[in-house]
Amino acid sequence: GAGVSQSPSNKVTEKGKDVELRCDPISGHTALYWYRQSLGQGLEFLIYFQGNSAPDKSGLPSDRFSAERTGGSVSTLTIQRTQQEDSAVYLCASSFMGLAGGRSYNEQFFGPGTRLTVL
Amino acid sequence: AQTVTQSQPEMSVQEAETVTLSCTYDTSESNYYLFWYKQPPSRQMILVIRQEAYKQQNATENRFSVNFQKAAKSFSLKISDSQLGDTAMYFCAFIKGGSRTYKYIFGTGTRLKVLA
Repeated sequence: GAGVSQSPSNKVTEKGKDVELRCDPISGHTALYWYRQSLGQGLEFLIYFQGNSAPDKSGLPSDRFSAERTGGSVSTLTIQRTQQEDSAVYLCASSFMGLAGGRSYNEQFFGPGTRLTVL
Repeated sequence: AQTVTQSQPEMSVQEAETVTLSCTYDTSESNYYLFWYKQPPSRQMILVIRQEAYKQQNATENRFSVNFQKAAKSFSLKISDSQLGDTAMYFCAFIKGGSRTYKYIFGTGTRLKVLA
């Protein structure tokens, strides 16, 4: 089966423009995560979707960032009025479930990311 | 709050040699998981090895092994017989156990270069 896919692979945009980044999780995975990886930094949690539950948006850095997940599958991360500090690699991951309960764990599988450059 | 620290931004090793990457973490949790992820130039994060905190035995995966020192909150990765394909960024990560946890805490990474 296919892994997590993301599009576009690279995106160059001008400051002030809106961008949409897409993530296709592994089929059957109910949990989906977005991360941001800035140059020289680790992964910064942005948002988490689990099934039909309300998403955890606590990691979104500002109200210019939003994400949705349609039909429990594909997710889109939207950045409005992009700024130069938004330049980063945006990674998406999915897992069968979002739970690390007790002594069980469900592995996250990552996509190849979208490199966003804001000029 | 949990933190993960990787104090070696860059390392290099000769092909076929052994290298150890360091990771320390801070948590008050007793049930948690630790991971090492590899990110090659293709950017795709790949799980290298996982350690459950309740297990005393160090995890191993072929050439990769960990030295898990729970009391010292240390979780180092040893790569034996290094290969050119091991060149990548390596991230240490933490997640607490228990129900409905999903927030991974990542370190800032160690860039490893394997030299021919």
